[in-house]
Amino acid sequence: QVQLVQSGAEVKKPGASVKVSCKASGYTFTSYDINWVRQATGQGLEWMGWMNPNSGKTGYAPKFQGRVTMTRNTSISTAFMELSSLRSEDTAVYYCATGPQFRLDFWGQGTLVTVSS
Amino acid sequence: DIQMTQSPSSLSAFVGDRVTITCQASQDISNYLNWYQQKPGKAPKLLIYDASNLEPGVPSRFSGSGSGTDFTFTISRLQPEDIATYYCQQYDNLITFGGGTKVEIK
Repeated sequence: QVQLVQSGAEVKKPGASVKVSCKASGYTFTSYDINWVRQATGQGLEWMGWMNPNSGKTGYAPKFQGRVTMTRNTSISTAFMELSSLRSEDTAVYYCATGPQFRLDFWGQGTLVTVSS
Repeated sequence: DIQMTQSPSSLSAFVGDRVTITCQASQDISNYLNWYQQKPGKAPKLLIYDASNLEPGVPSRFSGSGSGTDFTFTISRLQPEDIATYYCQQYDNLITFGGGTKVEIK
C-alpha cells in the first residue's frame, strides 16, 4: 500500500532553516508529483509547492518563492522540503502528499516544525 | 493567484440532515476542484475529485457538483462520523485551498 513517512518534529530558532523528509513506498516514486502543504494550529491548509520526482522540476507558491527548496533522492524514494529564514509564523505541521494530477490521494503523517527563540 | 472562497466557515446540523458547503473560485477553473475531509490531528482525506467524482471507498452520501467558478459539496444525510473540517482545493493554476468549513452535530 502507498505510504509516505515523514521525519520527526523539529524545533528551530528564528532565522534558521529546516529540512523535512518524506519517504515513499508502495508505488513507483517517480510516478506522481510530491506536494507540500502546511497547517498552523487551528488554521487551514496552505499549499507550498510541488516537485516532479522524475525530472526534479518544481513549482512554488508565490508566498514561498525564494525561501523554499524542494528536492529528491530517487535512489531512496525520498523527497525533501527545506524552508529557510524561519520566523514564528512558520510554526506549523508540514505534510507531504501525492497522487495523480494534483489529486492528493496519499498524505504523510505530518511533521511539526516549531520556530521559537 | 486564484482565490477560493468557501462558505460557511462553520455549521451545526442534526444527524440525518442534508449539509451543503459552497466554494467559489475567483476565476474559471473548469472542473479542476477537489474536496477533502480532515479530522482533528489527522491528515486530510480526499473525498471528491474533479468536482463530482467520488473517490473509491468513500460513502455515497458525499457528493460534489459545479464547474467554472461555483461548486457545491453535499452530505446527503449527516452521520456522527462526518464531524470534521472540509476543504475545497483548486488545481487549475498551481493549488489553492478554501478556508475550510467545520461541521458539527447539534
